[in-house]
Amino acid sequence: AQSVTQLDSQVPVFEEAPVELRCNYSSSVSVYLFWYVQYPNQGLQLLLKYLSGSTLVKGINGFEAEFNKSQTSFHLRKPSVHISDTAEYFCAVSEKTSYDKVIFGPGTSLSVIP
Amino acid sequence: NAGVTQTPKFRVLKTGQSMTLLCAQDMNHEYMYWYRQDPGMGLRLIHYSVGEGTTAKGEVPDGYNVSRLKKQNFLLGLESAAPSQTSVYFCASSPGGLAGPKYFGPGTRLLVL
Repeated sequence: AQSVTQLDSQVPVFEEAPVELRCNYSSSVSVYLFWYVQYPNQGLQLLLKYLSGSTLVKGINGFEAEFNKSQTSFHLRKPSVHISDTAEYFCAVSEKTSYDKVIFGPGTSLSVIP
Repeated sequence: NAGVTQTPKFRVLKTGQSMTLLCAQDMNHEYMYWYRQDPGMGLRLIHYSVGEGTTAKGEVPDGYNVSRLKKQNFLLGLESAAPSQTSVYFCASSPGGLAGPKYFGPGTRLLVL
């Protein structure tokens, strides 16, 4: 069965600085990968997803992620963060053989410091 | 177009009581999901449905039952609530499985005493 690891539970970063949120997955088969964002007291929103094709995926709000199959990673990046990016970020994975089942990581709390 | 709605928003139960959480979507989506969110554990999939009349188990299905009698509704039932079921419950929907859960509801906060 697939699993997701987000090594950093909390990431503080200054406004306008770049940020990378790390995600690693484990699976014996090919996967689909997702990043979601949860703003305080809200539900989740889909930021971006990798299904196939280019390994660099661009999402909403200036975020992008790169799929690295050899390192089984799908790290999320943004070149310059804003205060409004303060939120919880979740990486998720589903296996191509059972794509209905999407499994989430524990989340990374991004705090943008003014 | 209300998107995904969840009823109720908050609920307090005593151990052993039962309740049903309702999720409704008005986007004609085939896929619907129920997740629970606990601190430090992210979201864990309880049950999901790939269409009207179908349901399947997720990661943590024990203690929960679901039904999808109508395409727009996905019900999550707790037959005998336990303190371990204290959590925030999120429903989500998607037009297709490949997209993953795309639209989430606002959540239901459940406290079991």
